[in-house]
This record gives sequence, structure tokens and C-alpha cells, in this order.
Amino acid sequence: KAGVTQTPRYLIKTRGQQVTLSCSPISGHRSVSWYQQTPGQGLQFLFEYFSETQRNKGNFPGRFSGRQFSNSRSEMNVSTLELGDSALYLCASSDWTGGNYGYTFGSGTRLTVV
Amino acid sequence: SQQGEEDPQALSIQEGENATMNCSYKTSINNLQWYRQNSGRGLVHLILIRSNEREKHSGRLRVTLDTSKKSSSLLITASRAADTASYFCATGFNNAGNMLTFGGGTRLMVKP
Repeated sequence: KAGVTQTPRYLIKTRGQQVTLSCSPISGHRSVSWYQQTPGQGLQFLFEYFSETQRNKGNFPGRFSGRQFSNSRSEMNVSTLELGDSALYLCASSDWTGGNYGYTFGSGTRLTVV
Repeated sequence: SQQGEEDPQALSIQEGENATMNCSYKTSINNLQWYRQNSGRGLVHLILIRSNEREKHSGRLRVTLDTSKKSSSLLITASRAADTASYFCATGFNNAGNMLTFGGGTRLMVKP
């Protein structure tokens, strides 16, 4: 079966702009989680959606938001971009077991803010 | 914030040698997972060990978990050049949804 698909792979944006990233989970998976990876802070949890509801949220400012559609595809949005938002953004999907068998990650979207 | 730390931060070995990475965490967990990441790409799930398990094997991988010490170790036996990657431990506490807390990672280089 197809893996987790993240688009786009690379993105360059200017400070102050906003950006939307997309994640399509494995077919049948209803949970999608988002993570930010930077050299300084490592891998940090952003939020998780399950059946179109946000179940968990990490410690990020309100500029970071997300949503999930009825087909389980998820988007995350970052408004008023800052240089520090440059990072690799990863999404992960899991089935109804809630990650008891591990998560499947996408290849990520590398965002550069200039 | 990160759950804990991984040790060492970097490890360089020769092909055929064993590689051991350690992970410590801070809070109660349901499970602990290990992931591999090649050159800033996506994470690949390697193995999951539940809080009531002490040891688990998968191919050349062996994971141990000591909940009393809040620590885990990953052993890769007979390393290959293709094992060169960053390895991360992540703890899961799934009572309120899915969320992983990652360690800082160990960069492993296996020299041919």
C-alpha cells in the first residue's frame, strides 16, 4: 500500500508570508500527527488529528494550525512566517491502535524562510 | 521539549562491529520506539517495546527497556555501511491520543 505522502517536498517563503503543507496518510489510517525538526530543537510535536478532531497540541504559538478532512488528509498552516520556522516538517500516520505498532512517517517538507 | 537524551550523540564504527545507543526518558510511558533517519529524510520505524517488556529482537536489532531506570538501549549487530544514519528513541503515552516525544538522536557512521 502507498506510504504517507507529503507535499510539497521543498518550499521557500519570505518572512511574513503564510504557508500550507499537506499530508496524505496511509489508506485506512485516521490519525495524523505533525512534527517539526530543527538542528537546535530536534524533533518536536506540533499536533495530532484523529477523525477530523484535534486531540493533542504541542507547545507552539497560535501561528501554527492544522486541520483534517473527512478522507483523513491533513494540512498544517503557518501564518506570519519567521526565520525560525525554517525546518523539516514531518507528518506521521497511524491506525486505530493509536501507534501501538509504531508510526509511518512521510519524507517531510523542508521549509526555508528567507 | 524533548523527553530525554540519547548517548552517545555520535558514534563511528567499522563495518561488522556492533553499535549500541542508549536513551533516557523522564516520565511514565506506554511504549518506547526507535526510528532511523537518513540524511534529513523521513523517519523509519524500527522497533517498538512496550512498558511491560524488557527485551525485544528484530533481525539484527535488539532493544532493552528498564523502566526502573527510565532507560533503553538499541543494539545493532554486525553493522553495515547502509546502517549509517541518525537513530532516535521516542516515547509514547497514548492515553490521550497519539504523541511521540523524541530524544536528541545518535548519529551513527559505519565505515566500510
